[in-house]
Amino acid sequence: EPEVTQTPSHQVTQMGQEVILRCVPISNHLYFYWYRQILGQKVEFLVSFYNNEISEKSEIFDDQFSVERPDGSNFTLKIRSTKLEDSAMYFCASTPGGAYQPQHFGDGTRLSIL
Amino acid sequence: AQSVAQPEDQVNVAEGNPLTVKCTYSVSGNPYLFWYVQYPNRGLQFLLKYITGDNLVKGSYGFEAEFNKSQTSFHLKKPSALVSDSALYFCAVREAGFQKLVFGTGTRLLVSP
Repeated sequence: EPEVTQTPSHQVTQMGQEVILRCVPISNHLYFYWYRQILGQKVEFLVSFYNNEISEKSEIFDDQFSVERPDGSNFTLKIRSTKLEDSAMYFCASTPGGAYQPQHFGDGTRLSIL
Repeated sequence: AQSVAQPEDQVNVAEGNPLTVKCTYSVSGNPYLFWYVQYPNRGLQFLLKYITGDNLVKGSYGFEAEFNKSQTSFHLKKPSALVSDSALYFCAVREAGFQKLVFGTGTRLLVSP
């Protein structure tokens, strides 16, 4: 069964540095998402992306964050200047389309900010 | 605003017994409801969904869920639990017109042999 893949599985970065998290969504999917899960807390929506633009974003997704689909297969999340509170598990998800379709999640990237 | 409540942090059940993991939700419009399971060091794995139609929906690994509109609930059930069902279970809601999934805080299911 096709899967969403995320790299790296663990990223350690110094505070203030830029970090890029990478995702390869399922190939025929059209909608892409980023979520995060701070340790011990609930999974939170960050952003959704469709047709090469952001379709919805949360209050968390401020100017420090950006997303991009640089080619036909990758979907990236960039954090421009990382803060300690950005430490979390970041999940990428994708769906073929339609609100009734389930979102399929990758295994996540654990981001640790030092 | 959409919200999901999972009132139990942990549910303990003996193998072979039925299990229920509770979920209630709040949305303004029509809800699309989902259950996901998370095993250690893995992502969220889709189990089942309710969109419309029959209130009892069946999903993967023998799980089912019952949608109750009047009680705004979507409880996850399984007639006979397995030790391998032990994991973290998340209920989520998506409101029509919105892209995002809103998750509950998760319920840890522990099935003892």
